[in-house]
Amino acid sequence: GAVVSQHPSWVICKSGTSVKIECRSLDFQATTMFWYRQFPKQSLMLMATSNEGSKATYEQGVEKDKFLINHASLTLSTLTVTSAHPEDSSFYICSAITSGVPSSYNEQFFGPGTRLTVL
Amino acid sequence: GENVEQHPSTLSVQEGDSAVIKCTYSDSASNYFPWYKQELGKGPQLIIDIRSNVGEKKDQRIAVTLNKTAKHFSLHITETQPEDSAVYFCAATRDRGGSNYKLTFGKGTLLTVNP
Repeated sequence: GAVVSQHPSWVICKSGTSVKIECRSLDFQATTMFWYRQFPKQSLMLMATSNEGSKATYEQGVEKDKFLINHASLTLSTLTVTSAHPEDSSFYICSAITSGVPSSYNEQFFGPGTRLTVL
Repeated sequence: GENVEQHPSTLSVQEGDSAVIKCTYSDSASNYFPWYKQELGKGPQLIIDIRSNVGEKKDQRIAVTLNKTAKHFSLHITETQPEDSAVYFCAATRDRGGSNYKLTFGKGTLLTVNP
């Protein structure tokens, strides 16, 4: 299957700093990528949908200015957590949909996740 | 919007036994139902999926059934092994042409297979 990578796999930062997380589709082009947030022992919560070359669509309650998403190419989307605070500590997961398969497939390929800890 | 309920939240079985996880959905327009396995500290992996034009799908020890009328779908794992221990999530979505669609996830089931 298609492979999605994330970098870094984990990051620890001080409160008030910004952190960038990269999501890459390694062997396919992804017109759409999704960013999720997952707290311990909870389900995945969609934060935003990112389409290549256009602005991300954020879910209700997600601060656009705090979670900056850029999808500059068909293989890379980035999530920047600005002015991070301890409550932003979480597991961030991206996923991608390929553009090269029939539209009815709908399969999302998930990255391995990034553990963010804000001190 | 779509709402997906998943039960049970935890499930403990003996190795070799079967495990069944059930999900219900609310949006009758949903037509794609994937199941994901998530191991600790990792991203979800698709293990099986089913579309609304199919009632059952099987892949070795894993099967999924769908009842569109009742709006529920289930994951069946037979001959469970310790490596099946993980959190399993069901999800549902409409087919909107492959892009700009969103998965709605259940809350997950922690499956423990005891040797």
